[in-house]
Amino acid sequence: KNEVEQSPQNLTAQEGEFITINCSYSVGISALHWLQQHPGGGIVSLFMLSSGKKKHGRLIATINIQEKHSSLHITASHPRDSAVYICAVPNTGNQFYFGTGTSLTVIP
Amino acid sequence: DVKVTQSSRYLVKRTGEKVFLECVQDMDHENMFWYRQDPGLGLRLIYFSYDVKMKEKGDIPEGYSVSREKKERFSLILESASTNQTSMYLCASSLFPNQPQHFGDGTRLSIL
Repeated sequence: KNEVEQSPQNLTAQEGEFITINCSYSVGISALHWLQQHPGGGIVSLFMLSSGKKKHGRLIATINIQEKHSSLHITASHPRDSAVYICAVPNTGNQFYFGTGTSLTVIP
Repeated sequence: DVKVTQSSRYLVKRTGEKVFLECVQDMDHENMFWYRQDPGLGLRLIYFSYDVKMKEKGDIPEGYSVSREKKERFSLILESASTNQTSMYLCASSLFPNQPQHFGDGTRLSIL
């Protein structure tokens, strides 16, 4: 049983398209994290959110606590957005449950 | 900016060797973590540490050990490397539990 489920697993988009990545979780949480991993390995934290919506540049993250669902949107996608996007929620042991990631490829 | 530095980007070792992966962070973080990442399985926690000389097992500690003698350094040790330990290894640190973690660039380890 996966506590965090992401969809889709893989996504290919044309440059300029609006992209949505979804994350559903089954545990009670205080906050949800979105991470980005570029080819080559390094992971960076994009958002930590506990309610509503957060925006950073062309990236928007939303969360619905009642429905246990979060979405990551990318507006006007660009090839440099190509990466793996990972959703994570904290567990009671002060670590994280991680989704398996969504691999995004944006084609010029 | 927080910097988490892993000693090697790529490493090739032989079955049965003792392998050391080193991780250093420069922001005085209390918490440090070692993960492995495999296709389709995502990030899995091997060990973490919340203080010097303290360690806790994660989800997949078998075949691994860790050392944290100084606050800034967290080492992962493969006692006797096996081919099923071929993977990407990522180190991370955070100031507080459940806060965003800062990751190193990863070490892609191949065991032949």
